Amino acid sequence: GEDVEQSLFLSVREGDSSVINCTYTDSSSTYLYWYKQEPGAGLQLLTYIFSNMDMKQDQRLTVLLNKKDKHLSLRIADTQTGDSAIYFCAESTVDDKLTFGTGTRLAVRP
Amino acid sequence: SQTIHQWPATLVQPVGSPLSLECTVEGTSNPNLYWYRQAAGRGLQLLFYSVGIGQISSEVPQNLSASRPQDRQFILSSKKLLLSDSGFYLCAWREQNKYEQYFGPGTRLTVT
Repeated sequence: GEDVEQSLFLSVREGDSSVINCTYTDSSSTYLYWYKQEPGAGLQLLTYIFSNMDMKQDQRLTVLLNKKDKHLSLRIADTQTGDSAIYFCAESTVDDKLTFGTGTRLAVRP
Repeated sequence: SQTIHQWPATLVQPVGSPLSLECTVEGTSNPNLYWYRQAAGRGLQLLFYSVGIGQISSEVPQNLSASRPQDRQFILSSKKLLLSDSGFYLCAWREQNKYEQYFGPGTRLTVT
């Protein structure tokens, strides 16, 4: 079955790095995604990684994938107040449908 | 460039009333289209998806239905709303043979 889990809340100081973690159970996942949702808005695609990759970096964002442990993480370097949002990981499996985690609320304090 | 629109942005409806939410995509052809619901404080639940005009797959049995009358138009409907239908409804699209799925701005539905 498909199940994606995330911790509910993360608080970091402005300028520090944030690490948001995600675990999934479906070993047939092809792509894994990170989305950002600001209050009252839709989801913004931040980045995604193919399941045969270990790492992907895009400016301040670094995605790490441990396929053996089915663990995905998103690191945000130099976290800013504008990064405060809910972050969702998602996996793409059969029929290219996405299964989302419950989201991690990131709070950035000055 | 591609854009996705949803309307209305917010909606307050009484229990038992009908529902019609609309989603349109511009700048692409024959996209895959999706309807998700996000309940308060929870993740997204896939409700329907469509790979072409008139082709609808339902993920969850409920009193909602979806239709795709045109290539880039996706409609979510209900004949009689329930209190449990309240939530944030998100439409998404994806180009065939690509991996990125993009979301619309959402519709906040409150059933009273």
